[in-house]
Amino acid sequence: GESVGLHLPTLSVQEGDNSIINCAYSNSASDYFIWYKQESGKGPQFIIDIRSNMDKRQGQRVTVLLNKTVKHLSLQIAATQPGDSAVYFCAESGGSNYKLTFGKGTLLTVNP
Amino acid sequence: EAGVTQFPSHSVIEKGQTVTLRCDPISGHDNLYWYRRVMGKEIKFLLHFVKESKQDESGMPNNRFLAERTGGTYSTLKVQPAELEDSGVYFCASSQVLPGTATGELFFGEGSRLTVL
Repeated sequence: GESVGLHLPTLSVQEGDNSIINCAYSNSASDYFIWYKQESGKGPQFIIDIRSNMDKRQGQRVTVLLNKTVKHLSLQIAATQPGDSAVYFCAESGGSNYKLTFGKGTLLTVNP
Repeated sequence: EAGVTQFPSHSVIEKGQTVTLRCDPISGHDNLYWYRRVMGKEIKFLLHFVKESKQDESGMPNNRFLAERTGGTYSTLKVQPAELEDSGVYFCASSQVLPGTATGELFFGEGSRLTVL
């Protein structure tokens, strides 16, 4: 599978804990944000998205929070499970609506 | 329904050689994208096809890279001649929605890992 970069931010949590992964963006024109999960050897998989007219959106065990004032995005995973271990990427679209700009990714490790 | 498929999954070539990566999008998806992730860096946009037309190729690094999508179905990305800095994972994605509307969900393939020695 794809190996991660040496400087990839990491987050290690215990199974059952809640996880919070953060992402900062710089383009104030961005109006669409997505979180992707990438497991080893696989491509990015869509988790949840949010538009700039919202500040919170919930899915199954996941919540995305958007703070446009400070250009900050977070992904909260409730009751983290070993299967959640992966690299998580935030991505944003700045008006073009088809070109995504990805963040560096955060490696989440869930300890049983 | 089959997802986005990419071939080869891994290619090891020497500097100066040519490699062609292939992507088969999800059937019916007019939009096809190429992204790549160089070691330790972010996933970066390369280009976007709408059917057989290049909508945006602003992310292509240089003229050693050539992408095609003849007939608006599968796409190829050729690197000729390959350089060491081309090593990385090349992802293809497809989506059903049209540009200018909601981005919607991009479905990614598993990527083609390119190693240039």
